[in-house]
Amino acid sequence: QQQVKQSPQSLIVQKGGISIINCAYENTAFDYFPWYQQFPGKGPALLIAIRPDVSEKKEGRFTISFNKSAKQFSLHIMDSQPGDSATYFCAPTGGTYKYIFGTGTRLKVLA
Amino acid sequence: DTGVSQDPRHKITKRGQNVTFRCDPISEHNRLYWYRQTLGQGPEFLTYFQNEAQLEKSRLLSDRFSAERPKGSFSTLEIQRTEQGDSAMYLCASSSASGSAGELFFGEGSRLTVL
Repeated sequence: QQQVKQSPQSLIVQKGGISIINCAYENTAFDYFPWYQQFPGKGPALLIAIRPDVSEKKEGRFTISFNKSAKQFSLHIMDSQPGDSATYFCAPTGGTYKYIFGTGTRLKVLA
Repeated sequence: DTGVSQDPRHKITKRGQNVTFRCDPISEHNRLYWYRQTLGQGPEFLTYFQNEAQLEKSRLLSDRFSAERPKGSFSTLEIQRTEQGDSAMYLCASSSASGSAGELFFGEGSRLTVL
């Protein structure tokens, strides 16, 4: 089974706050764990990704935390900005190169 | 611009008509994907190619859907006898085959409205 569960469905944070989005998966063959960002009318774009040999990766204000034993990974957005308002998807893959997208989290950052 | 391009960007058709979408991937990418996205949902996998070979097709796809990638370059997605439930954004993405999974580069999508 390649089910991916993403939470929360929507998130509202104040400017400067921390946004946290979680993704749980079932397939232990997954070995690449990306987060995609999508703005209205645009295709998704890779934000940050992690492989299972590390537990955390940070790029600027964005951090992925990976918990292999719990089969979960999360996206942390520090110092959230109004420009971060978008929909975020996790899309793990492994083995077959078929990327399974989560249902998305709609983030709104209030100015 | 060397990104993924899709054509047409918007298509309005009547139920029962056939439609075809085209995707031109990034030139050096040999993996090409088609996804379908409806409002408020994540992209749903339809099919993917490595070069000209179609390696996997979603069981959710009916026989009305067909995709091709002749010569391993551009790809087309055809929907025959369209139904209102086919209304969605059809996304194309490409990636380079480097022995492990990597970034998907998406086009801006082709939005289909079936009346």
